[in-house]
Amino acid sequence: QKEVEQDPGPLSVPEGAIVSLNCTYSNSAFQYFMWYRQYSRKGPELLMYTYSSGNKEDGRFTAQVDKSSKYISLFIRDSQPSDSATYLCAMSVGGNNRLAFGKGNQVVVIP
Amino acid sequence: GAVVSQHPSWVICKSGTSVKIECRSLDFQATTMFWYRQFPKQSLMLMATSNEGSKATYEQGVEKDKFLINHASLTLSTLTVTSAHPEDSSFYICSARGNRPNSNQPQHFGDGTRLSIL
Repeated sequence: QKEVEQDPGPLSVPEGAIVSLNCTYSNSAFQYFMWYRQYSRKGPELLMYTYSSGNKEDGRFTAQVDKSSKYISLFIRDSQPSDSATYLCAMSVGGNNRLAFGKGNQVVVIP
Repeated sequence: GAVVSQHPSWVICKSGTSVKIECRSLDFQATTMFWYRQFPKQSLMLMATSNEGSKATYEQGVEKDKFLINHASLTLSTLTVTSAHPEDSSFYICSARGNRPNSNQPQHFGDGTRLSIL
């Protein structure tokens, strides 16, 4: 079993819809959770960084962590065509430790 | 804040050439930098962890004599692909993490270098 599981998609949604992405993990020692957005031929850009269970909101983005179920989610409200990208979940045991990545989920927002 | 600059963004060169890629943290000091490789439609694969002033730690299966890493300052790490061959063609991405004491900092990534070996 991989440390981090993420359904690669692709996921197509109409503009304005809510995008829902999730990752599951097997290592209960993971304490720090991140979501990165990666446009084609670019490096990943940090979207959300959290280390506690519950929700964290930043503009149209909400990150959700459920440590008891080993499950994290990212929600994008009022999706825009500019949100079309690959979204990678990542996590680490300590804040300064190496990252374990999901495979990435390709999202396409159709105008 | 937390900008990481990677240069060059694209390199095409002949087989046997050595190629150097630079990774700079522009607005923060980075004790630790990471080098990744990414194949099309795949996630990032960690190659090595670079700490300022010490030898890099390579992941299993990564040849340290092939991929030379130097982290001479708190804002610059370099990756040199020595005697590159077509199988080394890939997208190389660096990341850097800030070194604020008693604080866990996330990794911030550069925009990657697309390396094509003919």
